Amino acid sequence: GENVEQHPSTLSVQEGDSAVIKCTYSDSASNYFPWYKQELGKGPQLIIDIRSNVGEKKDQRIAVTLNKTAKHFSLHITETQPEDSAVYFCAASKVTGGYQKVTFGTGTKLQVIP
Amino acid sequence: NAGVTQTPKFQVLKTGQSMTLQCAQDMNHNSMYWYRQDPGMGLRLIYYSASEGTTDKGEVPNGYNVSRLNKREFSLRLESAAPSQTSVYFCASSETGKFGEKLFFGSGTQLSVL
Repeated sequence: GENVEQHPSTLSVQEGDSAVIKCTYSDSASNYFPWYKQELGKGPQLIIDIRSNVGEKKDQRIAVTLNKTAKHFSLHITETQPEDSAVYFCAASKVTGGYQKVTFGTGTKLQVIP
Repeated sequence: NAGVTQTPKFQVLKTGQSMTLQCAQDMNHNSMYWYRQDPGMGLRLIYYSASEGTTDKGEVPNGYNVSRLNKREFSLRLESAAPSQTSVYFCASSETGKFGEKLFFGSGTQLSVL
């Protein structure tokens, strides 16, 4: 089955700096890569996603890049703010039996220091 | 609009006790999911229901049963709780379960089995 590795497990940055989280996947059939943000005491929420026919996607301070050949994708947060502090999960998804199967990474705890 | 609602938020069980975790969504979604979240292991799929009337095993189904009561509700039952089932449980839903869909998560149930 699919295996998604995520690094680093923890990340501390100064407010205003950039943060980068990297993920690799094993199954070349995966073709949809969402990123979820989980704030303390809450469920994960989708913040950005990318499909395999796209190399990069941007939404304000957040961007995701995908390298299909190398099977890795990354989340970039620029000009970090204290409210960016959370746990971030990458995921890889493919269609199995007509429905999407989502495999999550192990999470990165981001701390933005004011 | 409440989204995905889970009850209870916290529960402590003794080994061998049974309990049911409840989940309801008000977004008219067809697909619903149960995940467990453990430190260093990310989110792992326990069971899912692609549509009303169907349920399928996910990655870690042993020790659990589910019921898709109607389109809104999807419950998770632990028949004989074990300490290995100590975890945070999340229910999620998506519109159709097809490719590239956003998952909507509840706020979780923190379960401790002593």
